[in-house]
This record gives sequence, structure tokens and C-alpha cells, in this order.
Amino acid sequence: AQTIHQWPVAEIKAVGSPLSLGCTIKGKSSPNLYWYWQATGGTLQQLFYSITVGQVESVVQLNLSASRPKDDQFILSTEKLLLSHSGFYLCAWSTDWGYAEQFFGPGTRLTVL
Amino acid sequence: SQLAEENSWALSVHEGESVTVNCSYKTSITALQWYRQKSGKGPAQLILIRSNEREKRNGRLRATLDTSSQSSSLSITATRCEDTAVYFCATDAGSNAKLTFGKGTKLSVKS
Repeated sequence: AQTIHQWPVAEIKAVGSPLSLGCTIKGKSSPNLYWYWQATGGTLQQLFYSITVGQVESVVQLNLSASRPKDDQFILSTEKLLLSHSGFYLCAWSTDWGYAEQFFGPGTRLTVL
Repeated sequence: SQLAEENSWALSVHEGESVTVNCSYKTSITALQWYRQKSGKGPAQLILIRSNEREKRNGRLRATLDTSSQSSSLSITATRCEDTAVYFCATDAGSNAKLTFGKGTKLSVKS
């Protein structure tokens, strides 16, 4: 069975500080990977997707970057946090392109003060 | 503009009642998915309905798709307290894996 793990569970950071969030998928080789951001009470907005190691596509610009250093790992980061970065960050994976079901991780709650 | 959106912000029903969440979208799609997100958790897919399908069932859940009116509905029968969650519809146009989620409908099921 496939499992998806996100770390940390929650972060409280100061404006202007750096950030790194991680996601690991076990039990599935070469998954498509995705990062989403969700404001409190809001919808999910896709930020990045990756179909292979080393390749990441940006969907929206939010002063964030993403990398896929290993087949099963997806990293979201920024060098300088903004207040607007607060929210719930979700990693997801799918087996196929396009309309395939996406499987979401438990998420990381980020509070920027 | 939103490519997909649910038509109600919040719904409240009593256990055992049926409820329907509606969704409208603005572009042609390959498929439409319904997700459920419980408080503090990641979303989980409930049903995927392709553009050439009109209805799909999954236990107490029934989704319909009307491509002519660009709308979909998710019906839940015999609701339970554990159905309390936010329900999202999500669409994609089949390219670059971009899934667009609606704003969500918050469903409360009361005992």
C-alpha cells in the first residue's frame, strides 16, 4: 500500500524567515507529485507539479519554489516568508496524467507572524 | 475566474436525511471529481465521473454530470454525522494535470 508523509505537521515562522516543507511517498514508483495551498476556509490552489525527478512545473507564482530531488520526495521552499504564505500546504500524488485521482497527504499547517 | 464552483457555501441536515451539493464549471472538461475534506485533514476523492458519463455511484453517494449545462451534483443518502465535511468538485481540462477545485460546500450533519 502507498503512504504519503508530510513534514513538519505544523510550523510557526516569522515574516522574512526561510521555509522548507517536505513530502515523501512510499510504495509507488514514479508518481506524479503536486503541491497545493489552502487558505483557512478556502479552496485548494495547485502550486506545482512534477512528473519526474528533477523536473518541476509552476502553476501559480506565490514566491515559492519546489524541487524533486528523489523519485519519492517533493520539497517546497522559500527564502523569505510573507504573511500571505500562511495556510495549509498539501502534497498529493497520482498515477496518471490529467484527470486521475489525486491522493493527498495529511498537510502542514503554516502560520507566518 | 473560477473554473469550478459549488453553488452553496454551507448546508445543514439531520442524520438520515438526504442532501445534494451542486457544482458548475465554465470550460469543457475531461472529467469531474468530487472530494471530501474533513477538518484538519487532506481531501479524499469520492467519485470521478468522466465527460462521457451521466451518472456514477459509490455506496450512498451518487454523482451526476450534465455537460450541456456544465453542471454536476453529488447526492448523499442516509447521511451520517461522519459525513460532516467540506465537499469540493474539481475539474481538469486534460492538460498538464492541473486540477481546479471549487470553493467548497460545508456540510454539517446533526444528530
